[in-house]
Amino acid sequence: EVQLVESGGGLAQPGGSLRLSCAASGFSFSSYWMHWVRQVPGMGLVSVARISPDGSATHYADSVTGRFTISRDNTKNTLFLQVNSLRAEDTGVYFCAKVYGSAWYDSWGQGTLVIVSS
Amino acid sequence: DIQMTQSPSTLSVSVGDRVTITCRASQSIHGWLAWYQQMPGKAPKLLIHSASTLESGVPSRFAASGFGTDFTFTISSVQPDDFATYYCLQYSTWTFGQGTKVEVK
Repeated sequence: EVQLVESGGGLAQPGGSLRLSCAASGFSFSSYWMHWVRQVPGMGLVSVARISPDGSATHYADSVTGRFTISRDNTKNTLFLQVNSLRAEDTGVYFCAKVYGSAWYDSWGQGTLVIVSS
Repeated sequence: DIQMTQSPSTLSVSVGDRVTITCRASQSIHGWLAWYQQMPGKAPKLLIHSASTLESGVPSRFAASGFGTDFTFTISSVQPDDFATYYCLQYSTWTFGQGTKVEVK
């Protein structure tokens, strides 16, 4: 069974940093594209970052470019999102999501909540 | 970027009603569209991919169609477990529609 378990969220001050993690199990982690998807409370879903299976290719939403960094450790089956220079509008639940092939999200974690507030 | 326009934003329905949700893409996405159901406080759940293919284990009252820029999602007879928010996702460049909340009338 595929499992994705996020951690690392919490309260951060504007301008602060957090490192989100997503522990993967139940599938061949190193074979799949992975995304981080953000959901602002009461709002919709946005893919903020994605990474190729070997980690050589990454892509970011315009709103986080230069501030967020996605990475992965295929030896530890773990996905990361380093979030720096946090802003109030970064507040939300961050889900890691597994991509089927290069297509739809077929598995999601339970999400980790990031709150940016002074 | 490809924009997805989903409507309506809210549907107030009764058990047994038929529900129809539409998504329109700002340019052709061929059949690269999925539909998700999200319960409050939970992760989205995949219902349909490839515009019309029902995911394994999903009840047959859920269906979808479309190609290119116009897509439709239908619940033939809403059940109590179906009150949730539904999203379309285009996976050409991965953008979601704004969501449709299906609520009790």
